[in-house]
Amino acid sequence: AQKVTQAQTEISVVEKEDVTLDCVYETRDTTYYLFWYKQPPSGELVFLIRRNSFDEQNEISGRYSWNFQKSTSSFNFTITASQVVDSAVYFCALSETTSGTYKYIFGTGTRLKVLA
Amino acid sequence: GAGVSQSPSNKVTEKGKDVELRCDPISGHTALYWYRQRLGQGLEFLIYFQGNSAPDKSGLPSDRFSAERTGESVSTLTIQRTQQEDSAVYLCASSFPGRAQYFGPGTRLTVL
Repeated sequence: AQKVTQAQTEISVVEKEDVTLDCVYETRDTTYYLFWYKQPPSGELVFLIRRNSFDEQNEISGRYSWNFQKSTSSFNFTITASQVVDSAVYFCALSETTSGTYKYIFGTGTRLKVLA
Repeated sequence: GAGVSQSPSNKVTEKGKDVELRCDPISGHTALYWYRQRLGQGLEFLIYFQGNSAPDKSGLPSDRFSAERTGESVSTLTIQRTQQEDSAVYLCASSFPGRAQYFGPGTRLTVL
C-alpha cells in the first residue's frame, strides 16, 4: 500500500542556513511520481518539485533541490540559504499508476520556521 | 483566470444543514481531486475524478458526503446534514494524470 512518512513535525532554523526536509515513501509500483508542496500561512498549496521514478526528468527552481534515493525510498528536499519567506508547512506526496489511476497520498507535513 | 478556483471562500452553516462547495479546475485538466484539511493537520483524500471513468470515492468519510463532476469541468462537493466535525478547509486540485496537482484556495467550512 502507498504510504508517505514525514518524521519531522517541526523544524526551526536561522535565516541563511540550509535545511533538509525528510520524506520516506512506500510503494509496490515500479513507476510512480513524487512531489513536494509548500503551504504558506496564507493557506494555498503551491507545487514545488516533481520527480519521476523511471527517468532523470526533474523539475527544480532556484534554491530548492532534492535527493531521490530509490534504495532507501527517500525523497529529501533541501532549501539552500533559507529565508524568512520559506516559513511554511511542506508536504511530500506520492502518486502511483496502479490500475491507471493517479491517486495522491500526502505525508503529514513538516512545519518549517525560518527565524530572522 | 488560469488557476483552480473554489467557491465560496468561506461558509458558515448550522448543524444539520446541507452545503454545496464548488470547484472550477484548470481548463484541460482531466483529473480532479477533493481533499479535507482540518486545522493544523495534513490533507485527507476524499474523492478523485479522472475523465469519464467512475470516480474513486474511497476517501469519503460517510454517505453524507457526495460529489459530482460534469465532464472535465466543474465539480461540486455536497455535504448533507452537516456536523461540527465537518468543519475544515475543503481543497480542490486538478492535474493531468501523474503530473503536478494545482490547488485552489479552498473553502473554509464552519459548522456551528
